[in-house]
Amino acid sequence: SQQGEEDPQALSIQEGENATMNCSYKTSINNLQWYRQNSGRGLVHLILIRSNEREKHSGRLRVTLDTSKKSSSLLITASRAADTASYFCATDLGRGQNFVFGPGTRLSVLP
Amino acid sequence: DAMVIQNPRYQVTQFGKPVTLSCSQTLNHNVMYWYQQKSSQAPKLLFHYYDKDFNNEADTPDNFQSRRPNTSFCFLDIRSPGLGDAAMYLCATGAGYLSYEQYFGPGTRLTVT
Repeated sequence: SQQGEEDPQALSIQEGENATMNCSYKTSINNLQWYRQNSGRGLVHLILIRSNEREKHSGRLRVTLDTSKKSSSLLITASRAADTASYFCATDLGRGQNFVFGPGTRLSVLP
Repeated sequence: DAMVIQNPRYQVTQFGKPVTLSCSQTLNHNVMYWYQQKSSQAPKLLFHYYDKDFNNEADTPDNFQSRRPNTSFCFLDIRSPGLGDAAMYLCATGAGYLSYEQYFGPGTRLTVT
């Protein structure tokens, strides 16, 4: 069964609005990472948050981690059309073989 | 620029005909991963190498094999492709296991006819 699951599966917003995506997972983790994938391309790393961290920022991105609820959220502020992509969370149990991606959230930012 | 390169970007093979996908990296990373991604699905880890040590996921079919002749190169061999093996195959590298991000190549889209 999947370790990480994103919510919602698809999200459509207007340019300038904020987008929030959530990820839930099942077992204890070493860290959680968020990746972006543009259509038909490889994945690009966005943010890594360790299990002892609660929040991280990178530009317009804000990630939170709640280990008690086994959940994480990715907030993209002031979205742009170029943010249109699929966003995946991935959980890392720290043993290499357990790097598991959630099903992803497809974000559409309309101009 | 340091990067992960996959060749070819598009590969068409016939049912049952062996095919090899290649990946190279200039990052000098210890770990190289192979993922399979089907349409609108998450990438699924097939196996990875930590240096020369091969680590297979439990549910990876025997039809999929891999070779890593040196630090820079890693190959994915599909011995007898079936129609269900049509997918995007992604190669990724990582500096290590703990708390390291993965760097992905652009992928090879495999079509099986």
